[in-house]
Amino acid sequence: EVHLVESGGGLVQPGGSLRLSCAASGFAFSSYWMIWVRQAPGKGLECVASMNEDGRRKYYVDSVRGRFTISRDNAKNSLYLEMNSLRVEDTAVYYCVRDHAGSGVASWGQGTLVAVSS
Amino acid sequence: DIVMTQSPDSLAVSLGERATINCRSSQSVLSSSNNKNFLAWYQQKPGQPPKLLIYWASTRESGVPDRFSGSGSGTDFTLTISSLQAEDVAVYYCQEYYSTLWAFGQGTKVEIK
Repeated sequence: EVHLVESGGGLVQPGGSLRLSCAASGFAFSSYWMIWVRQAPGKGLECVASMNEDGRRKYYVDSVRGRFTISRDNAKNSLYLEMNSLRVEDTAVYYCVRDHAGSGVASWGQGTLVAVSS
Repeated sequence: DIVMTQSPDSLAVSLGERATINCRSSQSVLSSSNNKNFLAWYQQKPGQPPKLLIYWASTRESGVPDRFSGSGSGTDFTLTISSLQAEDVAVYYCQEYYSTLWAFGQGTKVEIK
């Protein structure tokens, strides 16, 4: 069974930093694109960053480019999101998601809450 | 960038009646390499992560009741709940996975009339 567990969320002041982690199990982690999706309180879903299987290709939504960095450690079956220069509008639940890939089935973690406030 | 637009934003349906949600993408999500539509539907209840209902536009995820069905191709898609049950009250999202940064529809809130 696919299992994705996010950690690292919390309360941070504007301008601060956080590092989110996602521990993956139950599948061949190194064979999948991985994605971070966020959801602001009461709002819809937004894809924040994605990364290919070997970590060489990274993509970011415009609002976080230059501030967030996605990375992965395939030896540890882990995905990360380094978040710097955080803004109030970055407040959201952040989900770690395994790509649909060839099967068409995507898998989501339970999410971790990031709250940016003074 | 692909933009996904859902309609309506909300709908109220009587128990046992049909609910229909539409989703339109700003460009085709039909892949010429495998002739599949890179389109998924999710259900989200408060405090929970999104739950995958449909992928490849019309394939029901394992364990999803058969009252949920997806249809469409190219740029126009539909999620149908054939007989609404109380537990189907939720927000529903369409999502394309054709691009490297997925796009989601804005969501459709389904309630009981």
